[in-house]
Amino acid sequence: EAGVAQSPRYKIIEKRQSVAFWCNPISGHATLYWYQQILGQGPKLLIQFQNNGVVDDSQLPKDRFSAERLKGVDSTLKIQPAKLEDSAVYLCASSLDGGQGDTQYFGPGTRLTVL
Amino acid sequence: GNSVTQMEGPVTLSEEAFLTINCTYTATGYPSLFWYVQYPGEGLQLLLKATKADDKGSNKGFEATYRKETTSFHLEKGSVQVSDSAVYFCALRGGNTPLVFGKGTRLSVIA
Repeated sequence: EAGVAQSPRYKIIEKRQSVAFWCNPISGHATLYWYQQILGQGPKLLIQFQNNGVVDDSQLPKDRFSAERLKGVDSTLKIQPAKLEDSAVYLCASSLDGGQGDTQYFGPGTRLTVL
Repeated sequence: GNSVTQMEGPVTLSEEAFLTINCTYTATGYPSLFWYVQYPGEGLQLLLKATKADDKGSNKGFEATYRKETTSFHLEKGSVQVSDSAVYFCALRGGNTPLVFGKGTRLSVIA
């Protein structure tokens, strides 16, 4: 079974530029998550989708971050404009139904460096 | 809100030593508890989980027991190997709240 796919794996941009990340979840998984992991910390949820609807985006900095999951499968996360403090690994995860005990499967992540 | 506190690293052990990584949590209700592991160069993967009090999760020789009375979910392994070198994250999820992670504990096992 194929895992969660993410691209690109690495991205370096200047501050104030824009960047987009792509995620393809495990086939059949209704729930998709985007996390931000800053060096030395655990991942922090940015947004959760159930199919193509947003369940939780309370920690998403909406002035600069946006995400969509069209057709309930692939998802993109965009940052515009980027700031230095956005340097982090962006992780995508998926799970079957989003329940409390549901296992989340993580992709390899995209390491973003903002100069 | 929900939170997880796990022991600071790095932890360095010799091969075949006993491992304990402490994890305590704060949450309302009855959260589910998880240990995730990140091997060098790889993504996060679930190591084990427990969804109710007194449950024991186990995988690859690792174990953790959900202790509601002490709000703990300590990770243990009787004999570590070099291949266990990784970063270990304790996490919890309660109801409709997000999965909340600890800061991670880096384990290095030397031969």
